[in-house]
Amino acid sequence: AQSVTQLGSHVSVSEGALVLLRCNYSSSVPPYLFWYVQYPNQGLQLLLKYTSAATLVKGINGFEAEFKKSETSFHLTKPSAHMSDAAEYFCAVHNTNAGKSTFGDGTTLTVKP
Amino acid sequence: DTGVSQDPRHKITKRGQNVTFRCDPISEHNRLYWYRQTLGQGPEFLTYFQNEAQLEKSRLLSDRFSAERPKGSFSTLEIQRTEQGDSAMYLCASSSPSGMVQTQYFGPGTRLLVL
Repeated sequence: AQSVTQLGSHVSVSEGALVLLRCNYSSSVPPYLFWYVQYPNQGLQLLLKYTSAATLVKGINGFEAEFKKSETSFHLTKPSAHMSDAAEYFCAVHNTNAGKSTFGDGTTLTVKP
Repeated sequence: DTGVSQDPRHKITKRGQNVTFRCDPISEHNRLYWYRQTLGQGPEFLTYFQNEAQLEKSRLLSDRFSAERPKGSFSTLEIQRTEQGDSAMYLCASSSPSGMVQTQYFGPGTRLLVL
């Protein structure tokens, strides 16, 4: 069984501040992990993915995430927030055998000017 | 590559009516997925196809739900006798056969409101 927990349903930062969105996972097999971003009334856009290569994964729009097996975490960071980063972010773990992804409940990021 | 498309984008229906949604995946993507997303939650897996074969179905997919992908290209998701609890965003995604971990590309979704 797989599960994802996103700590903090809402995160607010000032423009230019560090963004940290937390994700912890549970997986019975080596996990494949993803971060997606969703803007209002749109589908999900892939930010980055971890597939057992490098533990530090760089994605689009300046985001990166670090896989920490000992902590079962895959937190998303960005050094400097932009207003355009305001959106909802989802962490997901993928089960290649079952062909499905299990998503967390999401974190809404607000960026204050 | 025109991306995953879904039709309609919005649907309002009355309780008890049947609705059908369509998803056109990225061409040559052999896997197609359906998810349901309710307000304030992440997407929940419903079902997925590899080519025309439906390989996995969630327990969320009650008898009122059926999905097809008859020629291994587009897919339809039908909900019969809709209930207010079916109100949600229905997301479709597709992935290519290359690589061990297939990245899912999502469509814009169909938002269903059952009155």
